[in-house]
Amino acid sequence: DAGVIQSPRHEVTEMGQEVTLRCKPISGHDYLFWYRQTMMRGLELLIYFNNNVPIDDSGMPEDRFSAKMPNASFSTLKIQPSEPRDSAVYFCASSLGGTGESISGANVLTFGAGSRLTVL
Amino acid sequence: EDKVVQSPLSLVVHEGDTVTLNCSYEVTNFRSLLWYKQEKKAPTFLFMLTSSGIEKKSGRLSSILDKKELFSILNITATQTGDSAVYLCAGMKTSYDKVIFGPGTSLSVIP
Repeated sequence: DAGVIQSPRHEVTEMGQEVTLRCKPISGHDYLFWYRQTMMRGLELLIYFNNNVPIDDSGMPEDRFSAKMPNASFSTLKIQPSEPRDSAVYFCASSLGGTGESISGANVLTFGAGSRLTVL
Repeated sequence: EDKVVQSPLSLVVHEGDTVTLNCSYEVTNFRSLLWYKQEKKAPTFLFMLTSSGIEKKSGRLSSILDKKELFSILNITATQTGDSAVYLCAGMKTSYDKVIFGPGTSLSVIP
């Protein structure tokens, strides 16, 4: 498997513009997570999905942020309008949930390479 | 509120030294403790610890969990410059969904 694939890797935009980040999880993983990482706040969970359904979006900063997962192989995180304080690295991650001993190190959270967003 | 605390936040050592990184957690419905290594890219998985007192090893890295005292340590022996990275500790809940990360320990190994 190619792992978790994110695009774009780098995005520079101006304040007020719409930003769309994309993610393809590992095939077969049923959980998908969007994280944001900054120096000040570390790695923050924004939202996660289970079987394409949003489960917890309490980490989404405000209404300017939205996320969708139309199918098992694709998710988007959208910021509209973008602001300079949104500048960060956005990671997508996926995992295979389960019970008992079915969860293993290989199935835990696997991160994509990240999308570095700079809002001027 | 769930939280994961790591110490020290930053550490500089010389090649060959042994380091111990600390992680304490307060996570409701806790199941496992995860360690990740992050260089200038995405975090990569190191260990998952579920049972107390059982050491996990991978080369020069080892880790152990104490579920009574709610902490874990990550040891790196004979450090090399390639060990320079941020080491992230995270608590995973029994529901296998939310994973709460600590702030990380930034380790710099100098020749």
